[in-house]
Amino acid sequence: EIVMTQSPATLSVSPGERATLSCRASQSVSSNLAWYQQKPGQAPSLLIYGASTRATGIPARFSGSGSGTEFTLTISSLQSEDFAVYYCQQYNNWPLTFGGGTKVEIK
Amino acid sequence: QLQVQESGPGLVKPSETLSLTCTVSGGSISSSGYSWGWIRQPPGKGLEWIGSIYYSGTTYYNPSLKSRVTISVDTSKNQFSLKLSSVTAADTAVYYCARHPWQQLGNLIDYWGQGTLVTVSS
Repeated sequence: EIVMTQSPATLSVSPGERATLSCRASQSVSSNLAWYQQKPGQAPSLLIYGASTRATGIPARFSGSGSGTEFTLTISSLQSEDFAVYYCQQYNNWPLTFGGGTKVEIK
Repeated sequence: QLQVQESGPGLVKPSETLSLTCTVSGGSISSSGYSWGWIRQPPGKGLEWIGSIYYSGTTYYNPSLKSRVTISVDTSKNQFSLKLSSVTAADTAVYYCARHPWQQLGNLIDYWGQGTLVTVSS
């Protein structure tokens, strides 16, 4: 099983600032890495797939990078609606696995 | 617009079997390019993939749950189902059904149900 590790667990950021979230895989997942955003009381929603491709309707302030075992989600200028929990997921191998999440909170 | 919606009991007794159904609307569950999955999230915790099923009936399960999980599909009703046996309090979670666009994009999740809370308690 591929273990996905996200850091930090919590990120305190002021509105308008940049947020950088990390996701590490215990073995290579190539570019088969997705990022999801989850707001309280809601299901997760797809942000990024293929490590760097924004899903339909996702603003350009969200960007993903990386391949192999190291990945990054960057939110260039945090808006109020971006404060949420973010999860990475590898889909290179079965079983599908998620990281533990990073909570982005208002500083 | 595709929609997936979970349904089933919100309360299950310990040692019994949890049964949930996901109804797909706005698209066919038999479409060859998609598979269908279940994910759960214990209160205040992260996401755990339970298993997925292809239109052909091929299934993949989380090894940690494999001995207790069965996922099946009913194409006549455009539904797929989850059964989790011998439940304990540790199985209390919000259960999500979801779609994987495996053929075009891989086994990521592009559509999620709203989720249904299942509590295991006597």
